[in-house]
Amino acid sequence: KAGVTQTPRYLIKTRGQQVTLSCSPISGHRSVSWYQQTPGQGLQFLFEYFSETQRNKGNFPGRFSGRQFSNSRSEMNVSTLELGDSALYLCASSLYGPSSGNTIYFGEGSWLTVV
Amino acid sequence: AQTVTQSQPEMSVQEAETVTLSCTYDTSESDYYLFWYKQPPSRQMILVIRQEAYKQQNATENRFSVNFQKAAKSFSLKISDSQLGDAAMYFCALNYGGSQGNLIFGKGTKLSVKP
Repeated sequence: KAGVTQTPRYLIKTRGQQVTLSCSPISGHRSVSWYQQTPGQGLQFLFEYFSETQRNKGNFPGRFSGRQFSNSRSEMNVSTLELGDSALYLCASSLYGPSSGNTIYFGEGSWLTVV
Repeated sequence: AQTVTQSQPEMSVQEAETVTLSCTYDTSESDYYLFWYKQPPSRQMILVIRQEAYKQQNATENRFSVNFQKAAKSFSLKISDSQLGDAAMYFCALNYGGSQGNLIFGKGTKLSVKP
C-alpha cells in the first residue's frame, strides 16, 4: 500500500512568488492535514481537509490556503512568499481525521526555500 | 490551551542500552491521544507508539514502551536495546477530540546512539 506522497520534494522560490504543493494521501484516507516545520517554531498545524471541506485551520495568515479534491488529493498554496516561509511542509493523512484519534501517517515533506 | 513540552533537547545513549525520553502535556480534555513520532534525517515522520488516554495500560511496541502517568500529565518513551537506527529526532504529540482536532507537537528531542 503506497504511503503519503508529496510533490515536489524540493523547490526554490523568490520572494513575492507563489507556490503550490501537492499531497496524495494513503488510499482510502479521507483526511489530509498540513504542517509547517521550521527550526525556530517547530511543527505547526496549518489546516485539515476532510471530504473536500476545510475542517480546521491553524494560526497562519491568509496567504496560506489549501484545497482537497474528490479523490482526497490535496494542494496547499502560499502566495506572496516571504523569506520566513522557508520550511519543510509536511502532509499527513488519516482515515477520519485527527480528532477521532486515528493514526496519522506523514509524507516525506516538501522543502521550500524562499530567496 | 493544549501544550506539549519536551524538556530534553538532546539525549545520548550507548548502543544496546536503554534510554528514556521525557514529555509532559497539558490539556483540559478528558478524551485524548498521545503519540511518539520519530523523524530520521530523511525527515519523514514515523509513528513509534500510540496511547489512548482512557487506557491505563502502558502501550508497548517491541523495544519501545511508554510510561503514561495521566494524573501527572506525563508521557515518557523508553527505548530498550538501543540500535544505531534509533538515532533521530523524537517528537511527542497530543491529539484530542472536538472541533479543532489536530496534532500538537513538542519541540523534539534529538537522540544520538553511540556505537
